[in-house]
Amino acid sequence: GQSLEQPSEVTAVEGAIVQINCTYQTSGFYGLSWYQQHDGGAPTFLSYNALDGLEETGRFSSFLSRSDSYGYLLLQELQMKDSASYFCAVYTGTASKLTFGTGTRLQVTL
Amino acid sequence: DAGVIQSPRHEVTEMGQEVTLRCKPISGHDYLFWYRQTMMRGLELLIYFNNNVPIDDSGMPEDRFSAKMPNASFSTLKIQPSEPRDSAVYFCASRAGTGSYGYTFGSGTRLTVV
Repeated sequence: GQSLEQPSEVTAVEGAIVQINCTYQTSGFYGLSWYQQHDGGAPTFLSYNALDGLEETGRFSSFLSRSDSYGYLLLQELQMKDSASYFCAVYTGTASKLTFGTGTRLQVTL
Repeated sequence: DAGVIQSPRHEVTEMGQEVTLRCKPISGHDYLFWYRQTMMRGLELLIYFNNNVPIDDSGMPEDRFSAKMPNASFSTLKIQPSEPRDSAVYFCASRAGTGSYGYTFGSGTRLTVV
């Protein structure tokens, strides 16, 4: 089976940088994705990493180390609207199946 | 594109009743997924289809749950009979084919079984 671990809650100040870590144990690992979900909303796709290294998309960056079974999401210049839950998720097999972690609730404060 | 469309947005039903949730994926997307989200179990994959064919239904909790995809633009998830423990938010998501990794989720159906 698969297991993913990420912190349950993180608090940070507006304008700061925050890193949300994710460690995983899975067979047939193909890639790692991150999703954002606001309260009452649907998950929205943020990023995908298949190879080791950092992928940057605006204020958000995602990192993967396949050898360490570890990844993180980096959010810079935090804004109040970034308060949401963030899920890491692993693709397995032929990259069709996506299994989600339990999510990290990010609270951005003034 | 209107995105992934789910109906109804909210459903309240009595235990023992049949419930049908509906989903229209994004046109041209080859994959369709049904997820369930609860506080206790998080986001669970129930079943997914590729080109209208069910590929993996290992997440379907029991025989009370069934899913169909009669054509590329429509899928249903049916629960019969429903039980209070089925109360959750059910999401449908779709994804384009090979080389595309982002899922687009619908707004979800919040199901309450009383």
